[in-house]
Amino acid sequence: DTEVTQTPKHLVMGMTNKKSLKCEQHMGHRAMYWYKQKAKKPPELMFVYSYEKLSINESVPSRFSPECPNSSLLNLHLHALQPEDSALYLCASSQAASYNYGYTFGSGTRLTVV
Amino acid sequence: QQQVKQSPQSLIVQKGGISIINCAYENTAFDYFPWYQQFPGKGPALLIAIRPDVSEKKEGRFTISFNKSAKQFSLHIMDSQPGDSATYFCAASISRGGSNYKLTFGKGTLLTVNP
Repeated sequence: DTEVTQTPKHLVMGMTNKKSLKCEQHMGHRAMYWYKQKAKKPPELMFVYSYEKLSINESVPSRFSPECPNSSLLNLHLHALQPEDSALYLCASSQAASYNYGYTFGSGTRLTVV
Repeated sequence: QQQVKQSPQSLIVQKGGISIINCAYENTAFDYFPWYQQFPGKGPALLIAIRPDVSEKKEGRFTISFNKSAKQFSLHIMDSQPGDSATYFCAASISRGGSNYKLTFGKGTLLTVNP
């Protein structure tokens, strides 16, 4: 299995809703990432988990809450989002301490906040 | 110091032609330079990557050229095909001494290959 699987593929939520994005990989990668990508822009790093511990938080607002329940799963909990949070949310993983493998990205969750 | 500058912003090439995308960086601590290809509605996919101890790397029709002294690297797509039409991102990271690393992306190049 060489994929990063993200669910759901599309999500529409109101500003008062609580929802979660899910990411799963079975490649044995020990680093997992959340990125946010706006249209025609590069991905922007949000969070990095290394060995199930949060290692980087790029000053992301608290309405985004990441969680790494185990080495294969990564969640992003969403609450009280704003319309400007609408974007493609990408999950990625990488082989620990081996940059030769690069990141593997999922196909993303297209989030629309109404 | 973390910025990666990518050009051109968009590129139109005829089928069979050569597509060239350039990137420049400032941070000499960067030691890993990947290129990603992204189709609409999909996540970026790793295309090819290079380390600074190598000046060129070729995989099929895709070649990275790396100039360490100039702090520049470029992607060449030979015999460009309509199926290559996508957005291409260069990136750079510092990968030493850790189990994870942050990728700094260029702003992207929208490549269109006309049939």
